[in-house]
Amino acid sequence: RKEVEQDPGPFNVPEGATVAFNCTYSNSASQSFFWYRQDCRKEPKLLMSVYSSGNEDGRFTAQLNRASQYISLLIRDSKLSDSATYLCVVMIYNQGGKLIFGQGTELSVKP
Amino acid sequence: DAGVIQSPRHEVTEMGQEVTLRCKPISGHNSLFWYRQTMMRGLELLIYFNNNVPIDDSGMPEDRFSAKMPNASFSTLKIQPSEPRDSAVYFCASRGTGMGTEAFFGQGTRLTVV
Repeated sequence: RKEVEQDPGPFNVPEGATVAFNCTYSNSASQSFFWYRQDCRKEPKLLMSVYSSGNEDGRFTAQLNRASQYISLLIRDSKLSDSATYLCVVMIYNQGGKLIFGQGTELSVKP
Repeated sequence: DAGVIQSPRHEVTEMGQEVTLRCKPISGHNSLFWYRQTMMRGLELLIYFNNNVPIDDSGMPEDRFSAKMPNASFSTLKIQPSEPRDSAVYFCASRGTGMGTEAFFGQGTRLTVV
């Protein structure tokens, strides 16, 4: 079993749609969580950190459920520019800050 | 700051040749990660360093792969001898201290072994 698993893609949605990505992690010692975005042939970049209480940044909402070892990302009113691959990331602090990435979920927003 | 700097950006080499990838982390960052990305396997963690010391190299695929970090501002990933299945994009990332601190990636080295 992979340490971080994400929904397989691709997700093809129309502009304005709401789309949700899910991610599960296997190591209960995981202590920090992130969503990264990767555009085609570019490096991954931080989209947002994920906090225990949940957090929102504009159209993006991230949720964490430690009991179920589950992370989610919700994108509302999707834009063409949201088309990218979204990567779920966990950090395991007691392993020296090991950063593990999920496979990524590809999102394609169509006009 | 210029961000994480990787070189070369592209490398094409023949099977059996030695390949060296280079990374300069962001100044002041104390963690450095090497990842490999392919369509089939996604972003795989190869090795990471804290304060120039290798912490976990369990992701290094074979003895053909080696990585060093001789000082806080420089790291190398070497493949010797290279094989066609090593073709991938290799990313270096660095991170500062603190649990919630994000990692910053370099632009990657696209390696093609023919």
